[in-house]
Amino acid sequence: EVQLLESGGGLVQPGGSLRLSCTVSGFTFNSYPMTWVRQAPGKGLEWVSLISSNGGSTYYADSVKGRFTVSRDNSKNTLYLQMNSLRAEDTAVYFCAKWKFDYWGQGTLVTVSS
Amino acid sequence: QTVVTQEPSFSVSPGGTVTLTCGLSSGSVSTSYFPSWYQQTPGQAPRSLIHNTNTRSSGVPDRFSGSILGNKAALTITGAQADDESDYYCVLYMGSGMWVFGGGTKLTVL
Repeated sequence: EVQLLESGGGLVQPGGSLRLSCTVSGFTFNSYPMTWVRQAPGKGLEWVSLISSNGGSTYYADSVKGRFTVSRDNSKNTLYLQMNSLRAEDTAVYFCAKWKFDYWGQGTLVTVSS
Repeated sequence: QTVVTQEPSFSVSPGGTVTLTCGLSSGSVSTSYFPSWYQQTPGQAPRSLIHNTNTRSSGVPDRFSGSILGNKAALTITGAQADDESDYYCVLYMGSGMWVFGGGTKLTVL
């Protein structure tokens, strides 16, 4: 059974940092690109980032470029999202998803507020 | 910046057929955009329904189908059921690793 489990969300002040993790099981993690998607409260889905299977290529939405960094540790079956310079508009549930969004985690809530 | 467009809301009668669409603010959607569709109920993670235009994801009943209709991607639900009442999102691949979701369609079954 494919499982993705996000962690690391919480309350952070504007300008602060947070690192999200996504631990996966049930598929060969190092064979697939992985993505992050977020959903602000009451809003739609927004693609955030994509990382290639070996971590050598990364891509970002314009809204997070230069502030967020995606990485992965294939030995630990874990995906990461380092979020710096956080803004109120980054408040959202953050989901990790396998490659073309065929499997999703349950999400972790990030709240940016003073 | 290219915007992916979806109907904000739609309604269908139980047992009826509904087609939701996914377009571009500029240009036409083709299979090269790898259109995919997701269903989401409040408080839940999205569920994959259709990927690569018309391939049903694992466990998805065949009353859900995907296609290209004119210049848009389309999700058709036949024999709508009460538990199909959800938000539906499409996503398109824009190239260079970038994906863009549509704003979602809120489907009501009544």
